[in-house]
Amino acid sequence: SQTIHQWPATLVQPVGSPLSLECTVEGTSNPNLYWYRQAAGRGLQLLFYSVGIGQISSEVPQNLSASRPQDRQFILSSKKLLLSDSGFYLCAWSASLTGARQPQHFGDGTRLSIL
Amino acid sequence: DAKTTQPNSMESNEEEPVHLPCNHSTISGTDYIHWYRQLPSQGPEYVIHGLTSNVNNRMASLAIAEDRKSSTLILHRATLRDAAVYYCILRDNVGSGAGSYQLTFGKGTKLSVIP
Repeated sequence: SQTIHQWPATLVQPVGSPLSLECTVEGTSNPNLYWYRQAAGRGLQLLFYSVGIGQISSEVPQNLSASRPQDRQFILSSKKLLLSDSGFYLCAWSASLTGARQPQHFGDGTRLSIL
Repeated sequence: DAKTTQPNSMESNEEEPVHLPCNHSTISGTDYIHWYRQLPSQGPEYVIHGLTSNVNNRMASLAIAEDRKSSTLILHRATLRDAAVYYCILRDNVGSGAGSYQLTFGKGTKLSVIP
C-alpha cells in the first residue's frame, strides 16, 4: 500500500532563517505531488504541484520554492522565512492517471511557527 | 469546482450509523462527488468518491441521488475516531491546467460522536 511521510511534525524558526521540509511517498511510481498551506480555520492553499521529476508549478508567488529531486521526493524550501510563512504545511500525492481530479492523499503535516 | 451545501454540524452516538448529507444542485455531468475528512491537527483524509452509482469502501458508503443533485456519506458505525470535519466537494474530471489540481474545501460538517 502507498504511504506518505512528511517531517518534521512541528518546527519553530526565527524570522529570516532558511527552511527545508521534506516529503516522501512509498508504494507508487510517478505520483503527482503537492504542497499546500492551511492557515488556522481556513481552507487549503495550493502552493506547488509537480507531475514529474524536476517539473514544478507554482500557484502563489512568494518566498517559498519547491524541488523534486527524485520521483517520490518533494521538498519545500525558503532562503529567508517571513512571519507570514507561519501555518500548517501539507504534502499530498495523487495517482498520475488521466483526469486531473484523482483523489489526493495527505501527510500528517508540519506546523510551522515563525518567531 | 461546483458548489456544495452541507450542514454546519451533526451529532451521533457512538456505534450508531451516521448519514452526512450534501446538496449539489448545480452539478454537471462530468463532476465526481468526493468526500474528505479532517481530524483536529491532522491533514485531510480522502474518504470516498463516486459519479453516479453508490460506492462502498472500507471507510464508508456513498449514496448518490438518481438526479445527482444530492448525496449522502454513510458511516455504518460511528466511533470516537470518526469525529472530524467532513467535506463534500465536486471534482470535474475533464480539463487540465493548474486549477484542476487545487482541492477547494467549503466549511464542511463538523461531526461530533458522543460516547
